[in-house]
Amino acid sequence: QLQLQESGPGLVKPSETLSLTCTVSGGSISSRSYYWGWIRQPPGKGLEWIGSIHYSGNTFYNSSLKSRVTISVDTSKNQFSLKLSSVTAADTAVYYCASPTYFNWFDPWGQGTLVTVSS
Amino acid sequence: EIVLTQSPGTLSLSPGERATLSCRASQSVSFYLAWYQQKPGQAPRLLIYDASNRATGIPARFSASGSGTDFTLTISSLEPEDFAVYYCQHRSNWGNTFGQGTKLEIK
Repeated sequence: QLQLQESGPGLVKPSETLSLTCTVSGGSISSRSYYWGWIRQPPGKGLEWIGSIHYSGNTFYNSSLKSRVTISVDTSKNQFSLKLSSVTAADTAVYYCASPTYFNWFDPWGQGTLVTVSS
Repeated sequence: EIVLTQSPGTLSLSPGERATLSCRASQSVSFYLAWYQQKPGQAPRLLIYDASNRATGIPARFSASGSGTDFTLTISSLEPEDFAVYYCQHRSNWGNTFGQGTKLEIK
């Protein structure tokens, strides 16, 4: 059974870079020829797609975040990662990673990790 | 950029009743629409993909229809565990968009 787990600092200072890693177990990132995703959810609000990556390294990003986002993949570790630069309080959210299924829909998701931006 | 608008924002119903949730796209998305369920403190779970296909393990009381710009998720007879927030999502070669969600609460 495929499982995803996000990891990284829960507190990031304003203007710094948020870095998270998603570790995939129960299956190989390389076995799914579709796009793995990062999605976030500010407290009490809805879902926002951040970006997606193929195991080949091909990426595409939300246009509103594109200038600050980098997503990368390490197939040897079965992980993919998110970097979001120049963060502000508006980037405070639960960050989820998700697996592609039925082509490029998202399921399952990781449990999510809360990242707070504060000095 | 395609915008998905869900209605109503909140739906108050009782167990056993029928729930109908709507998702409207600002332009045609063909059948590239999914529905997710999110319970408090949990990650979203895929219910429906490609507008009308139930994901693995999803009960038959969940059904969906639509194409183009208007989509509907129907829960035929509400169970206590169905009270949650529901999101629609569109995917394309340029990105993904979520609706703002409909909260289904117990009346």
